[in-house]
This record gives sequence, C-alpha cells and structure tokens, in this order.
Amino acid sequence: GNSVTQMEGPVTLSEEAFLTINCTYTATGYPSLFWYVQYPGEGLQLLLKATKADDKGSNKGFEATYRKETTSFHLEKGSVQVSDSAVYFCALSGDQAGTALIFGKGTTLSVSS
Amino acid sequence: NAGVTQTPKFRVLKTGQSMTLLCAQDMNHEYMYWYRQDPGMGLRLIHYSVGEGTTAKGEVPDGYNVSRLKKQNFLLGLESAAPSQTSVYFCASINTIGTNYGYTFGSGTRLTVV
Repeated sequence: GNSVTQMEGPVTLSEEAFLTINCTYTATGYPSLFWYVQYPGEGLQLLLKATKADDKGSNKGFEATYRKETTSFHLEKGSVQVSDSAVYFCALSGDQAGTALIFGKGTTLSVSS
Repeated sequence: NAGVTQTPKFRVLKTGQSMTLLCAQDMNHEYMYWYRQDPGMGLRLIHYSVGEGTTAKGEVPDGYNVSRLKKQNFLLGLESAAPSQTSVYFCASINTIGTNYGYTFGSGTRLTVV
C-alpha cells in the first residue's frame, strides 16, 4: 500500500540556517504530495503541495519538488526563523479524487536565535 | 468563517464512558475523514466517508463508530472509552472540484481517558 517516510527529528537549527527535511514515498499511480505544518497547540495547516511530477510547491520561503524518479518530496528553506519552529508532516493522497491523506510521522523543527 | 469545526475542543473521560465528537463543515464537501494523532506516530486514519449516508474503515477503526446522516456533519463515537484512546483527534474534509483541490482540517479535539 501507499506510505510516506520522513526523516526523524528533532531537527535543531540556528536562525538563518538552511533547512532540509527529507520525505520519500511509496505509491501506485500518480499521487499528490503535501507538506503540512503544525505549530504548538494548533491544528494542521497546509504549507505547500504538488500534484504531478516535477511540480514545485512553494509558500512562505519553503519549497519542495515532486521527484518521481527518486520518489521524493524534500522540504527546503534557505533561511529559517524562530517562528518556523513547528512539527512538519509530509503526506500523500492517491490519484483517485477524495482518497484519504497518508501521513509521515512528523519532524519536529526547533530554531533558536 | 467557512471551514471545519470540531466540538468539543477538550474532554476528559473515565474508562468505560462513551462520548461523541462532532465535525461540521460548511463547504459542501463530499469527503470527510477522522484521524488520530499520537506522539511519534503522525496522523492515522480512523474512519472516512465519501458522502452522506456512507462510511468506511480506515487504518485504526477498532473501538470507534461513525455516522454521516447529514452531508455537513461527521460524528465519531467512542462506545466504551479506553486509556489507549487518549489522543488528539482531527477531522478533515476535501474539495475535489476544480483547481482548489485541498484538504481542510479542524483545530482538533484533545481527549484524555483516565
């Protein structure tokens, strides 16, 4: 079945450092890929998404490119801020409309000033 | 504001008690989902619904029941709560029409079973 594997945390960075959170997936067909962010005490917010191979999703300085050849969707940001401290979830949905999201286990990011 | 609303936000239950979590969406979405979030486990699908009157099991359905009597509401029931059901529960719905394809999540219900 479909699955998502993302790097385990926690990831601890200093402000303005470069961030990469790895995410790989296993899926049949052509899934859509997502990154969600959860700030402390809050629900999940969509950070970015990509619906087909080679698409790049971007938002708030974060980027991720849908790589079908390596089955990856790594999250990157060139310069993190303290306010980026949160839990990040990689997720996929199958290529049939309405299929449920399958999540990775989440990566905790902590940024210090 | 349009979106997904979960009630209650917090609840403490004693082992063996029952309760119902309500998820309501006003976006006319067909598909709705219930997840639980546990530390180090990500979000796991409990049950889902592809339309009014239909429900199906997800990855971790045991101990839960659901109903979708109205399109806008998706209810999650615990008939006899157990400490293993202590978790944060999230509801989501999805718009599958047009270019605004995306899932909308509620703010969660934190349930503690003692």
